Amino acid sequence: NAGVTQTPKFRILKIGQSMTLQCTQDMNHNYMYWYRQDPGMGLKLIYYSVGAGITDKGEVPNGYNVSRSTTEDFPLRLELAAPSQTSVYFCASRGPANEQFFGPGTRLTVL
Amino acid sequence: RKEVEQDPGPFNVPEGATVAFNCTYSNSASQSFFWYRQDCRKEPKLLMSVYSSGNEDGRFTAQLNRASQYISLLIRDSKLSDSATYLCVVNGDTGRRALTFGSGTRLQVQP
Repeated sequence: NAGVTQTPKFRILKIGQSMTLQCTQDMNHNYMYWYRQDPGMGLKLIYYSVGAGITDKGEVPNGYNVSRSTTEDFPLRLELAAPSQTSVYFCASRGPANEQFFGPGTRLTVL
Repeated sequence: RKEVEQDPGPFNVPEGATVAFNCTYSNSASQSFFWYRQDCRKEPKLLMSVYSSGNEDGRFTAQLNRASQYISLLIRDSKLSDSATYLCVVNGDTGRRALTFGSGTRLQVQP
């Protein structure tokens, strides 16, 4: 089991560029999540999904989009990158006891 | 008021010391409670779930006080490798099954 994997590990974007952060899990979990973590702060929920074809907004969804075409994959899309989106992005999936398993994160800088 | 509040620390303790962290949560309907550990620039990893009766895992003991809405983590015989940020985590929104994370308490164990 690889668990939750994310790509890329690092990325630098210019203002206005777009990119997709990839997330895949091999544990057959229905629930998946995207969080962002700013320096010295807690994790904030961006979007979540309760299963293939179903997604919903979290606390801070503005500037992001998601899709969930399969159980395994939950990509996060940034359309018009802004400096405020500089952060570390973590994808997670939920296990049977409500615990969450995290990917290694994507460190994004927008200049 | 934050949903989950923790003392950010840092707690600087010598090896072998016993250290305790507390956190409070605001949603009295919360059902699941966890402590996660996060190393610098890494993803959060589940340390232990917290049960109403209290639970122990080696040198770590977690307690839950529902009446006062606080959770504690006790680390005995601290090791250098325990140095990390400890995140108090609560299941605050049963609809999303999402977790609400505290900002974390930083522990530095010194030789």
